[in-house]
Amino acid sequence: AQSVTQLGSHVSVSEGALVLLRCNYSSSVPPYLFWYVQYPNQGLQLLLKYTTGATLVKGINGFEAEFKKSETSFHLTKPSAHMSDAAEYFCAVRAQGGSEKLVFGKGTKLTVNP
Amino acid sequence: DAGVIQSPRHEVTEMGQEVTLRCKPISGHDYLFWYRQTMMRGLELLIYFNNNVPIDDSGMPEDRFSAKMPNASFSTLKIQPSEPRDSAVYFCASSFRWAEAFFGQGTRLTVV
Repeated sequence: AQSVTQLGSHVSVSEGALVLLRCNYSSSVPPYLFWYVQYPNQGLQLLLKYTTGATLVKGINGFEAEFKKSETSFHLTKPSAHMSDAAEYFCAVRAQGGSEKLVFGKGTKLTVNP
Repeated sequence: DAGVIQSPRHEVTEMGQEVTLRCKPISGHDYLFWYRQTMMRGLELLIYFNNNVPIDDSGMPEDRFSAKMPNASFSTLKIQPSEPRDSAVYFCASSFRWAEAFFGQGTRLTVV
């Protein structure tokens, strides 16, 4: 069965600083990995995904994430935070060809300070 | 495509009443998921369907909850009778195979 752990329920950064949101997963089969963003009172929107191939994936709004199988991690980064990045971020895992469940982490709320 | 459409967006009901939440997935998608989001428990998967067939309902909290998918373009989540602890935002999402899921805007349910 798959599971996701997001380290840090709240992360605060200054505008222009590096954003690093951590995600570790557990999966018995090769995973598909996703990062979603949720703005207040809205649904979840896909930021980026890893399926196969290149382990460094780029998403919208300048975010990227790197799949590291040896560390079972899929951390989300952005070189320079913008005020508009303030939101809640969710990491999710889905098994390739196995259980079709899409399992989410608890989420990390990002605050960007001026 | 208009995306995943959920209705209503907001629902306020009295304890003991029946509540029905509706979802129209994206055309062509073969998976449909129902999630519940609360501050305390985060985003919980309640049930999911593949080709209109329920695959895993282990996340459904109690027998008061039921979900159906009579055809590829419509699904319902019903709570009968509703209780205050059911207050949450309920999301429907759909996907094609193991690709990313697309979420609706959610239904905010308040049971008083």
